Amino acid sequence: NAGVTQTPKFQVLKTGQSMTLQCAQDMNHEYMSWYRQDPGMGLRLIHYSVGAGITDQGEVPNGYNVSRSTTEDFPLRLLSAAPSQTSVYFCASSLLGSRGGELFFGEGSRLTVL
Amino acid sequence: AQSVTQPDIHITVSEGASLELRCNYSYGATPYLFWYVQSPGQGLQLLLKYFSGDTLVQGIKGFEAEFKRSQSSFNLRKPSVHWSDAAEYFCAVDNYGQNFVFGPGTRLSVLP
Repeated sequence: NAGVTQTPKFQVLKTGQSMTLQCAQDMNHEYMSWYRQDPGMGLRLIHYSVGAGITDQGEVPNGYNVSRSTTEDFPLRLLSAAPSQTSVYFCASSLLGSRGGELFFGEGSRLTVL
Repeated sequence: AQSVTQPDIHITVSEGASLELRCNYSYGATPYLFWYVQSPGQGLQLLLKYFSGDTLVQGIKGFEAEFKRSQSSFNLRKPSVHWSDAAEYFCAVDNYGQNFVFGPGTRLSVLP
């Protein structure tokens, strides 16, 4: 039972480069989301999706892009990396969303932008 | 917008002592409330959740939390802390069924 799988676990980018953080879940969850975690800030929601083909912005969406073509996958794209995007990124999924649903988290992806 | 505050950034307790982590929320309706724990280098794990009914909820690892509507609080407690409880703890509230809002977290250190 893999749960939520994120890749890569670590990544170093130069300013202006683009990359995609991959997230996959095998629990048939409709709800998926991406958070970034910064010291003293807790987790801040970047984007979320309530089902295939449906995405919406969270608290800090600028500089990030998402798509949801399948139930299982929810990749996060950094279009032109900036040092301010240095952070730890978590993907999370839930069966029912926040109305009664427990969030299951991946192990995180640590991104450094130089 | 909904918000969650955790007034204590860092708490240190001795092993075997009792623990209470504070959480306050702002929400315009009946909240769904959660506590998550994050061990170093790991993702978050659900400790417990409150949806309705009994205001004292039990969770995993011997944790419990009490919902107090009048105080807009959902404090986490444990009667006797173990060294393995050292971690960061996050309180969260649902945002009208759209998504989750997390507090800034409280880091717990445990002295031997």
